[in-house]
Amino acid sequence: DTEVTQTPKHLVMGMTNKKSLKCEQHMGHRAMYWYKQKAKKPPELMFVYSYEKLSINESVPSRFSPECPNSSLLNLHLHALQPEDSALYLCASSQGSQGRADTQYFGPGTRLTVL
Amino acid sequence: AQTVTQSQPEMSVQEAETVTLSCTYDTSESDYYLFWYKQPPSRQMILVIRQEAYKQQNATENRFSVNFQKAAKSFSLKISDSQLGDAAMYFCAYNRRTASKLTFGTGTRLQVTL
Repeated sequence: DTEVTQTPKHLVMGMTNKKSLKCEQHMGHRAMYWYKQKAKKPPELMFVYSYEKLSINESVPSRFSPECPNSSLLNLHLHALQPEDSALYLCASSQGSQGRADTQYFGPGTRLTVL
Repeated sequence: AQTVTQSQPEMSVQEAETVTLSCTYDTSESDYYLFWYKQPPSRQMILVIRQEAYKQQNATENRFSVNFQKAAKSFSLKISDSQLGDAAMYFCAYNRRTASKLTFGTGTRLQVTL
């Protein structure tokens, strides 16, 4: 089963709100990713967790705060976002083999609108 | 830095026909992976096919096959017997063997007509 789930599917928030996006996988993968995707554009990598430790932060603004509570869960905490942060946020996971690139499997995404 | 180029923003194919999507990439690495992902309008990104650079044999998955030309740094996707469900945005992506960062091309939107 190559399933990555994300909640919520849609989120509308004001610039002063705090919200969280959730991602879950039960494939035993040890690497998890957050991407941001604008309309008609490819996904842009934001964060990578490997074995529950943050391994890549692509210079993402601090109003985005990732968290990996365990090997199956990945959260993205949102605070004081700007309208330009409106996008599709994709989660992905991969086996996470040490020193090896693996196929990434994507979730369906959360469509975020910031008012 | 690695780059991936998809020079066809949009393509159209008739149902049951064959279409080829182009992808070129630039890298100084010799060991890497290449992928084609499909993203239908319902938005979930789905893996179509994967190619490992050290394998000379072109990958195939049912109606999907690739033409991998390592020297030319070309990685095209052929879709045979096109179906309405093939309509989607197709992204070519590159991943260095020892890295976890996927580099995507800009995508090709494929329309399938009756």
